[in-house]
Order: sequence, then structure tokens, then C-alpha cells
Amino acid sequence: SQTIHQWPATLVQPVGSPLSLECTVEGTSNPNLYWYRQAAGRGLQLLFYSVGIGQISSEVPQNLSASRPQDRQFILSSKKLLLSDSGFYLCAWSRMENQPQHFGDGTRLSIL
Amino acid sequence: EDKVVQSPLSLVVHEGDTVTLNCSYEVTNFRSLLWYKQEKKAPTFLFMLTSSGIEKKSGRLSSILDKKELSSILNITATQTGDSAIYLCAVGLSGGGADGLTFGKGTHLIIQP
Repeated sequence: SQTIHQWPATLVQPVGSPLSLECTVEGTSNPNLYWYRQAAGRGLQLLFYSVGIGQISSEVPQNLSASRPQDRQFILSSKKLLLSDSGFYLCAWSRMENQPQHFGDGTRLSIL
Repeated sequence: EDKVVQSPLSLVVHEGDTVTLNCSYEVTNFRSLLWYKQEKKAPTFLFMLTSSGIEKKSGRLSSILDKKELSSILNITATQTGDSAIYLCAVGLSGGGADGLTFGKGTHLIIQP
């Protein structure tokens, strides 16, 4: 069966510091991968998606970037965090387009 | 702009009641509608509805897609305290290269014993 792992579970960072969140999927190959953010009072918002190694599409211009260095690894990064980057970050995978997406447990990011 | 609206935003009922959660959408190039249950962390997948599958059922949960009214409902019968969660509705779009989902804000359901 397939599993998805995200870490860390919680993170407190000062404004202006860098960020690296990691997500890995096991039990499948060549999955579609996604990063979402869930801010207070708002629905989940798609940030990035990837259909293969090195292929990243961004949905929302912002302070963040994503990379996919390996088939089942997806990384969310920032060089300098802003207060507005606070939120709950969720990674998800799907077998292919138009298949259900399955989510990791998320990272709760607080910026001080 | 694509939009997904859920109602009510919150709902408190007693154990054993039946609840109906609503989701309406205004999107271009509709492909699918999905329901998720979010307790503390990861949203877990419940149903996916498409033009070829407008009604799904699993145990006490069922969902119907109304493509004419651009909406969907999620029904939960004989509710239990374990059904307490945020229920998320999301719409998948076709074309345009984007495969992400557009989510509503969710319905926070509380089941009282």
C-alpha cells in the first residue's frame, strides 16, 4: 500500500529565515505530487504540483519554491520567510491526473 | 475565478441524527467533485463524483452530484461522535495544465453524545 510522509510536523521560524519542508511517497512510482497551504479561515490553496522529476508548476506567485529531486520526493522551500507564510502545509499525491489525491499529515508553520 | 462554496460552515447535531452537507461550485471545465474528511491533520478521501458516477455510497455516508444545479450533497445517517470533523469539498478541473483541486472552506461538523 502507498504511504506519504511529511516532516516536520510543526515548525516555528523567525521572519527572514529559510525554510525546507520535505515530503516522500512510498509504494508507488511516478506519482503526481502537490503542495497545498491551509490558512486560517480559508480553504486549501494549491501552491505547486509536479508530474515528474524536475517538473514543477506554480499556481500562485509567492515567496516559496518547490523542487522534485527524486521520483517520490517533493520539497517546499523559501529563502526568506514572511509573516504571511504562516499556515498548515499539506503534501499530496495521486496516481495520475483525475485520480483522488491523498494527503500527508501536514506541517504547521508559525512565523514569529 | 473558480469558486467552491460549502454550507453550513458549522453544524452541531446529536448522535443518531442525519445530516446533509452542501457544496456548490462555479468553475470552468468541471471534471470531478471530491469529498474529504479532515479530523486533526490529513484530509482523508471519501468520494469522487464525475459525470459517469454521480452517486456514491459507503456505509452511512452517501453523496450525490447534481451537474444541472452545479452542486453536491454529502449525507451522513445515524451519526456517531467519530463523525465529528471538518468535511471538505473540492473540484477538479480539466485542461489548462493544472491538476490541482479547488477547495471550499469546509463544514465543521460536531456530533454531541
